[in-house]
Amino acid sequence: KNQVEQSPQSLIILEGKNCTLQCNYTVSPFSNLRWYKQDTGRGPVSLTIMTFSENTKSNGRYTATLDADTKQSSLHITASQLSDSASYICAVEGNNRLAFGKGNQVVVIP
Amino acid sequence: NAGVTQTPKFRVLKTGQSMTLLCAQDMNHEYMYWYRQDPGMGLRLIHYSVGEGTTAKGEVPDGYNVSRLKKQNFLLGLESAAPSQTSVYFCASSYRDREQFFGPGTRLTVL
Repeated sequence: KNQVEQSPQSLIILEGKNCTLQCNYTVSPFSNLRWYKQDTGRGPVSLTIMTFSENTKSNGRYTATLDADTKQSSLHITASQLSDSASYICAVEGNNRLAFGKGNQVVVIP
Repeated sequence: NAGVTQTPKFRVLKTGQSMTLLCAQDMNHEYMYWYRQDPGMGLRLIHYSVGEGTTAKGEVPDGYNVSRLKKQNFLLGLESAAPSQTSVYFCASSYRDREQFFGPGTRLTVL
């Protein structure tokens, strides 16, 4: 069973536009939630790590939100750039283990 | 400061052959991990290590062995490769359970 579900699976957006990616999880107990960016052919790179008490965390044009009550997180990309084309992976830690989602594939077109 | 490096980048094996993937990190991290990434699936943990000389099983350990003889190196071995082990393998390291830093990956094909 996949304990981390991401949506949409893929999306195409115009350069300069905003987009929001969703992550729902069932991991329990909850320790933290992480968002990674993975460029094609490269390893994942950490964007944010959020603990139970954190509702919002930003990293440049990336803003992650967390609702631990509903077990939902979102990653908002502001003013997208061509370099934002990548897979965005949500991962949730519980019981000292990380459960990874399948990723949101984002393609930014000029 | 190279971060996490993996050797080799690509490899093609025949069924039954053996090989070792090498992971090295220069950040003095205690924890190291081996993952596999397959199409349509999230990253899955194979084995991990919380310190030199220690290893532990992850989610999908069957068919793999690991060793952590030095703090900076983490080796993943396939004793008898099978087509089901065709995948992209990522190594990662972290200071305890904090942010994980990933290597560039090794693309393995087993024929």
